[in-house]
Amino acid sequence: EVQLLESGGGLVQPGGSLRLSCAASGFTFSNYVMSWVRQAPGKGLECVSVISEGGANTYYADSVKGRFTVSRDNSKDTLYLQMNSLRVEDTAVYYCAKDRRGNWNYVGTLDYWGQGTLVTVSS
Amino acid sequence: EIVLTQSPATLSLSPGERATLSCRATQGVSSYLAWYQQKPGQAPRLLIFDASARATGIPARFSGSGSGTDFTLSISSLEPEDFAIYYCQQRSNWPFTFGPGTKVDIK
Repeated sequence: EVQLLESGGGLVQPGGSLRLSCAASGFTFSNYVMSWVRQAPGKGLECVSVISEGGANTYYADSVKGRFTVSRDNSKDTLYLQMNSLRVEDTAVYYCAKDRRGNWNYVGTLDYWGQGTLVTVSS
Repeated sequence: EIVLTQSPATLSLSPGERATLSCRATQGVSSYLAWYQQKPGQAPRLLIFDASARATGIPARFSGSGSGTDFTLSISSLEPEDFAIYYCQQRSNWPFTFGPGTKVDIK
């Protein structure tokens, strides 16, 4: 059974930093593209970042480019999102999600999602 | 950035009725469109990918159609567990974008 477990969320002041983690199990983590998707309270979904199977390729939303860094440790089956210079508008539930296919050329269909971790940016 | 619009914003129906949800893209996305279902307090769940393929374990009452800029999600006969918010999402171009959602609620 595929499981994705996010952690690392919490309350942080504007300008602060947080690192989110997503522990994966139930599939061969190193074979799949992984994504971070966020959802502000009562709002819709936004793809924040995507990372290829080996970590060499990444995408970032313009809203987080230069502030967030996605990475992965395939030896630990774990996905990360380092978030710096946090803003009030970054407040959201952050989900990690597995891509349906293990191929960077077909990226973008998210077949399994974690339960999310809440990040609140407030003074 | 490709913008997705969904209509209607809210669909009020009774169990057993047919639901038809629409998603329109500001530019063609070929068949690179997915549909997700989200219930309160839960993560989204993949229903349909590549416009018309059902994801693993999704009941046959869910079907998707369309290509280019216009897409439809149909639920043939609503079950009580189908009342939720439905999002479309394109993966044709980065950034991958979601529509604002259609809420299907009980009439």
